[in-house]
Amino acid sequence: ILNVEQSPQSLHVQEGDSTNFTCSFPSSNFYALHWYRWETAKSPEALFVMTLNGDEKKKGRISATLNTKEGYSYLYIKGSQPEDSATYLCAKSLMEYGNKLVFGAGTILRVKS
Amino acid sequence: NAGVMQNPRHLVRRRGQEARLRCSPVKGHSHVYWYRQLPEEGLKFMVYLQKENIIDESGMPKERFSAEFPKEGPSILRIQQVVRGDSAAYFCASSWAARSGANVLTFGAGSRLTVL
Repeated sequence: ILNVEQSPQSLHVQEGDSTNFTCSFPSSNFYALHWYRWETAKSPEALFVMTLNGDEKKKGRISATLNTKEGYSYLYIKGSQPEDSATYLCAKSLMEYGNKLVFGAGTILRVKS
Repeated sequence: NAGVMQNPRHLVRRRGQEARLRCSPVKGHSHVYWYRQLPEEGLKFMVYLQKENIIDESGMPKERFSAEFPKEGPSILRIQQVVRGDSAAYFCASSWAARSGANVLTFGAGSRLTVL
């Protein structure tokens, strides 16, 4: 059974705090790791796609790293803002299945001002 | 570019009726995916289609569910004889180019089905 696990399940931080979440996945049959940001009542929105071990991606205050050998990815948010409040999803893509993604359950982030 | 458009946003059906959910992908995208989110669960893959072809339907329930993506028009997810357990949010996503796991998916806002 393929399981993509995310932790923590939810996180409450104060504005200005930096935070990070973990996504762990089976390292076999790996092609790509996706991160999506999902605000309430909106569509999931792509943040990063990473394919290579050691990949690091950055977009503004948000960055992500990837370790395909041990099967984990970290998402970091520096100086959290209330508008960062959302559910953060990671998903693994299986090479032989094209762009079929297996999603984790997500980490819910709430940033208090 | 209007993004992925899904309709209806909300659909209420009685047990035994049929539900049809429509998805228009991003202009230029020829690959469509359907995902389902059951209450208190994450997004689960259902089916992957290209124009006129089903590429992977390994996540589709074997009965009552079908999907198509015709040459012209939107992709349709059809659920026949709905039951209460079909109540969920159904999300459509699209991507461009070849079958690559590194292609970003663009998601629609979802269609929420409620079965009474």
